Amino acid sequence: QVQLVQSGAEVKKPGSSVRVSCKTSGGTFNRFVINWVRQLPGQGLEWLGDVIPLFGVSNHTQKLEGRVTITADKSTATAYMELRSLKSEDTAVYFCATNSNERAPYMDVWGEGTAVTVSS
Amino acid sequence: EIVMAQSPDTLSASVGERVTLSCRASQSISGNLAWYQQKPGQAPRLLIYYASARATGVPARFSGSGSGTEFTLTISSLQSDDFAIYYCQQYHNWPPCSFGQGTKLEIK
Repeated sequence: QVQLVQSGAEVKKPGSSVRVSCKTSGGTFNRFVINWVRQLPGQGLEWLGDVIPLFGVSNHTQKLEGRVTITADKSTATAYMELRSLKSEDTAVYFCATNSNERAPYMDVWGEGTAVTVSS
Repeated sequence: EIVMAQSPDTLSASVGERVTLSCRASQSISGNLAWYQQKPGQAPRLLIYYASARATGVPARFSGSGSGTEFTLTISSLQSDDFAIYYCQQYHNWPPCSFGQGTKLEIK
């Protein structure tokens, strides 16, 4: 059974960076697409990007162009999402999620979420 | 970018009722649509994928239909556990993919 375990909550200053990790277990890491989705307070879901560990290829929303990097470490079966030049509007819960059955971007397994607070 | 619009924003219903939630895409997405349920403080839960396939463990009272630009999620007989926010997601031109704004299903 595939499980995703995320790193803990973060409090950051505006202009700084945050890196959230997502460790996978119970499946073959190379088979996955690891997606990152965020949810602003009281708001809906926003797809941020994804990484395919097998190919080392990542994608991200144009909205975060230049500020987000999504990577995967096959040796530890862990995906990472780094967001730079943080703004107060980046305060959100960040989820990683994957599809345990096929390399497709609908997501049947989710991490617990990581709360990121950006405040001076 | 494909924009997803859900309606209504909020739906009030009673236990036992049949309800239908709608999701519209700004362009055709074929059947590349998923539905999720989210409860407060929890991660979303996949209900439906490829517009009409029920995810593992999802009760049969949940069904999805549609193709192209118009999709629906139907709950045949509401249970108390079903009151939550529901999101649709398109993945037709992934990457990127995109979500609707959500429909809040509340108790009447």
